[in-house]
Amino acid sequence: DGGITQSPKYLFRKEGQNVTLSCEQNLNHDAMYWYRQDPGQGLRLIYYSQIVNDFQKGDIAEGYSVSREKKESFPLTVTSAQKNPTAFYLCASSPGQTETQYFGPGTRLLVL
Amino acid sequence: QKEVEQDPGPLSVPEGAIVSLNCTYSNSAFQYFMWYRQYSRKGPELLMYTYSSGNKEDGRFTAQVDKSSKYISLFIRDSQPSDSATYLCAMSQGSNYQLIWGAGTKLIIKP
Repeated sequence: DGGITQSPKYLFRKEGQNVTLSCEQNLNHDAMYWYRQDPGQGLRLIYYSQIVNDFQKGDIAEGYSVSREKKESFPLTVTSAQKNPTAFYLCASSPGQTETQYFGPGTRLLVL
Repeated sequence: QKEVEQDPGPLSVPEGAIVSLNCTYSNSAFQYFMWYRQYSRKGPELLMYTYSSGNKEDGRFTAQVDKSSKYISLFIRDSQPSDSATYLCAMSQGSNYQLIWGAGTKLIIKP
């Protein structure tokens, strides 16, 4: 089945710890995105990548880092510099030259 | 003022009713308009995609864009309890621009 997978479904972070959220797609899409969703708010863009080995900051990149070494994979690291990381994190992808994005099931990050 | 405004609801209607969900926006350069449905604790799924003005129909769903009023709507006919979800609007100027999202409207269909 083609689609986007995110793991884990739930993730717990301790103070001062970096954690990495996984996102994999087998849709052969060029572009990939990371969003953060807080209760009652829309999606806020963290980082996006339109091609392998290249990525750009979104609106709320501080405290996060990404890599894009393979077309299929776009992991997000939540660093200890992100002081309020509790949120629902969504990964999306889109074919080149199109506006529509397709989403994974999300990862819920909680702070211990 | 946000670029895209969407009433967060919740909007509660009885089963079988016609539902109207709306977004207003301020950027007249937006050309591409989307509606996504998001069930609780799930990722959003694309429901409707419209380019420029006009209507688009898909089964029980109709998307309407009025660029002169900077207003888009999603209509759901014969609403079902399974339609209960949060509906997010999103729009873009084009493929080299990011999607701008509304905050989402929570819809509850009562059996």
